[in-house]
Amino acid sequence: QKEVEQDPGPLSVPEGAIVSLNCTYSNSAFQYFMWYRQYSRKGPELLMYTYSSGNKEDGRFTAQVDKSSKYISLFIRDSQPSDSATYLCAGKGRQGGSEKLVFGKGTKLTVNP
Amino acid sequence: DAGITQSPRHKVTETGTPVTLRCHQTENHRYMYWYRQDPGHGLRLIHYSYGVKDTDKGEVSDGYSVSRSKTEDFLLTLESATSSQTSVYFCAISGLAGGTGELFFGEGSRLTVL
Repeated sequence: QKEVEQDPGPLSVPEGAIVSLNCTYSNSAFQYFMWYRQYSRKGPELLMYTYSSGNKEDGRFTAQVDKSSKYISLFIRDSQPSDSATYLCAGKGRQGGSEKLVFGKGTKLTVNP
Repeated sequence: DAGITQSPRHKVTETGTPVTLRCHQTENHRYMYWYRQDPGHGLRLIHYSYGVKDTDKGEVSDGYSVSRSKTEDFLLTLESATSSQTSVYFCAISGLAGGTGELFFGEGSRLTVL
């Protein structure tokens, strides 16, 4: 089992829809959880991060972590065509004396005008 | 945008030839990383560096070596390229290894090994 599992999609939604992207993780050492956004033929860029459990909101984006179920979510409200990208979740924590960062495989999202 | 430049951006080579990819940063960040990204596998860490001449292996380091002689440059070398090393390679930098240390990625280097 990979330490971070993510449904690769693809996911296609109409403009204005609420999008829910999800990941599960298995490593209990993970304390930080990130969402990176990657446009086609570009490098990933950090979208949001959360520490431990809870919610974090930034404009139309909400990141949610439930450590009891080891579930990571990203919600996009009022989705726009410019949100079309691949979204990568990641878990990070200290293990064996060093930091470990593991990415999910990414979910490709298309928002249709 | 973080000052990260990868070169070359595209390369086609033949099996058995050596290949070197270069990552150059202008941010003076301590940590530098090389990842590869493949369909069905996502981003996987090849090697990383935590300072000049200080490097360590990631999860998919076999067949790759790295060097960092200056803070700003991190080189990835494929001594004898194989078709399984066809991939998109990303360099990343970070000012912090732990906690919320954000990774800043380059634009990627697309390598095809025939």
